[in-house]
Amino acid sequence: SAVISQKPSRDICQRGTSLTIQCQVDSQVTMMFWYRQQPGQSLTLIATANQGSEATYESGFVIDKFPISRPNLTFSTLTVSNMSPEDSSIYLCSVEVGVNEQYFGPGTRLTVT
Amino acid sequence: DQQVKQNSPSLSVQEGRISILNCDYTNSMFDYFLWYKKYPAEGPTFLISISSIKDKNEDGRFTVFLNKSAKHLSLHIVPSQPGDSAVYFCAAGVTSGTYKYIFGTGTRLKVLA
Repeated sequence: SAVISQKPSRDICQRGTSLTIQCQVDSQVTMMFWYRQQPGQSLTLIATANQGSEATYESGFVIDKFPISRPNLTFSTLTVSNMSPEDSSIYLCSVEVGVNEQYFGPGTRLTVT
Repeated sequence: DQQVKQNSPSLSVQEGRISILNCDYTNSMFDYFLWYKKYPAEGPTFLISISSIKDKNEDGRFTVFLNKSAKHLSLHIVPSQPGDSAVYFCAAGVTSGTYKYIFGTGTRLKVLA
């Protein structure tokens, strides 16, 4: 397994502002993922972030809104830009560990007012 | 189009009895399946997985069954304990390529003491 931490754990932000969420892993991993869980919904993949390459975004998510950095094999950031109340969600990073298995961080609970 | 469905939003089970959580999928290309448990204010915790080449995988109190012809999998917890009370998510993916997983909407399990 892997120990994954996220900062901040929660935040309340004003609409129109941006928030950067950090994800730190205690071991080197190739693949990191960012998910969103909107209230009452399932987990939705935003993008896959591999070190040394551009993040790959899923349908409905764009780089201008959710820029991602992956500077090394243990760290990634997700920025939620120009926020609106619809961006209120839990944002989760995950990493692939072993064969085909993903482990999740504790999540960042974002409320946009 | 919901490719992974958990049709029971909630389930209550008496302590010591069996909990059975169900998951259906539509994409026959899925070849790897995972179950996660999620407590409030925490990230999902990986429980157990199964490859499409198997029809059963067991780990302690947790057993996952896969019926490929029915595109159905289930998680059995025996015996159920109050600490098992959480939301359970199934996830399905195609392991060749990007290891993207599609998550179900979750089933809230309540184990009654």
